[in-house]
Amino acid sequence: SQQGEEDPQALSIQEGENATMNCSYKTSINNLQWYRQNSGRGLVHLILIRSNEREKHSGRLRVTLDTSKKSSSLLITASRAADTASYFCATVKAAGNKLTFGGGTRVLVKP
Amino acid sequence: EAGVAQSPRYKIIEKRQSVAFWCNPISGHATLYWYQQILGQGPKLLIQFQNNGVVDDSQLPKDRFSAERLKGVDSTLKIQPAKLEDSAVYLCASSLIVGNTEAFFGQGTRLTVV
Repeated sequence: SQQGEEDPQALSIQEGENATMNCSYKTSINNLQWYRQNSGRGLVHLILIRSNEREKHSGRLRVTLDTSKKSSSLLITASRAADTASYFCATVKAAGNKLTFGGGTRVLVKP
Repeated sequence: EAGVAQSPRYKIIEKRQSVAFWCNPISGHATLYWYQQILGQGPKLLIQFQNNGVVDDSQLPKDRFSAERLKGVDSTLKIQPAKLEDSAVYLCASSLIVGNTEAFFGQGTRLTVV
């Protein structure tokens, strides 16, 4: 079973534009993490936001967390062709510490 | 710092055969995960170890899949017998502290069952 679900499933933008994707989850969490996966490669951790945090930045990435709505968003600003990848949210449940992934958002950045 | 090592990278077997995957996590990482990723889907957690104990294996098909973590370090995942629907990428990951830090992933093993 998937704890997190991303929206949209796919996103196509022009280089330089911003990309926003959302993640919704079902149960209380310890933290929420975002990962990137390039085609045929392993997953790379991008950012971790704890349940008592509301916003976090890392370079061109901005993550928000709304625990009352059980949702998170990932914003990539000034996108580049190299940002083309699948992006996954993963949640760590408050009970049990399982790291569970959603279905992902496939992002295509056109040059 | 060396990353998570997995082998083999690719494996093709016939249905009903058995197969084993190996994972060596980052040194000192207490938590080890095995995920199954079917093409176009997100990773599905099969089993999560804390040192050499199992934290969660609720989605591991125990009639055909087994996993162990030797001395709290290396781990093997076995499938016996394999089915066509087991064709997927099997990802191993490790993290320093269970649930509280990022997970580092290996490159995965792509399994094709024919």
